Amino acid sequence: QVQLVQSGAEMRKPGASVKVSCKASGYMFGGYYIHWVRHVPGQGLEWMGWINCNSGVTNYVQKFQGRVTMTRDSSISTAYMELRSLRYDDTAVYYCAKDREGVSDFWGQGTLVTVSS
Amino acid sequence: FVMTQSPESLAVSLGERASINCKSSQSVLYRTNKKNHLAWYQQKPGQPPKLLIYWASTRESGVPDRFSGSGSETDFNLTISSLQAEDVAVYYCQQYYSTPSYTFGQGTKVEIK
Repeated sequence: QVQLVQSGAEMRKPGASVKVSCKASGYMFGGYYIHWVRHVPGQGLEWMGWINCNSGVTNYVQKFQGRVTMTRDSSISTAYMELRSLRYDDTAVYYCAKDREGVSDFWGQGTLVTVSS
Repeated sequence: FVMTQSPESLAVSLGERASINCKSSQSVLYRTNKKNHLAWYQQKPGQPPKLLIYWASTRESGVPDRFSGSGSETDFNLTISSLQAEDVAVYYCQQYYSTPSYTFGQGTKVEIK
């Protein structure tokens, strides 16, 4: 069965970076994109971008351009999302999700990233 | 793209109908495939979102048939025909017409009256 397992919760100081991993299993990793979405506490879902797990081509929402990098390691079926220059308002649960024709059909369990001094 | 959901929250009695509206600032109907690139997700506290509906009206495998989606171009609805206790959640619409920003609505909280 399809599973996406994300890395554990992280705490960072403002200005630091965080890298979240998303290990996929149960399907052909290279055949699908991975989406990254975050959920800020008390707010809604926010789309961040996607990575083509075959070619490595990425596409980021303008808001995160210059601060986010999405990568993948096909040898271990794992996608990564790195966010730099963290701010307090980056505190959120970050999700990876498998793409199917644009929708996110399977989701990771989420990774809480807390930005605090 | 701006996705606007209404209401922000609603309370419905068990067994009654719940309806959520989602309006898009631009049409999400893709002329090439004649499909509306609009999805609905359900999110319960402490859980990731769950895909309910895609192409505006196609139910995801395993989703109960009390959930239905309708609408076209810029105006969409999610209906729960007979609300069950396990349907308490926040519901989001999402357009996947305009990459890379597959924008979500702000969410609608559904509770039991």
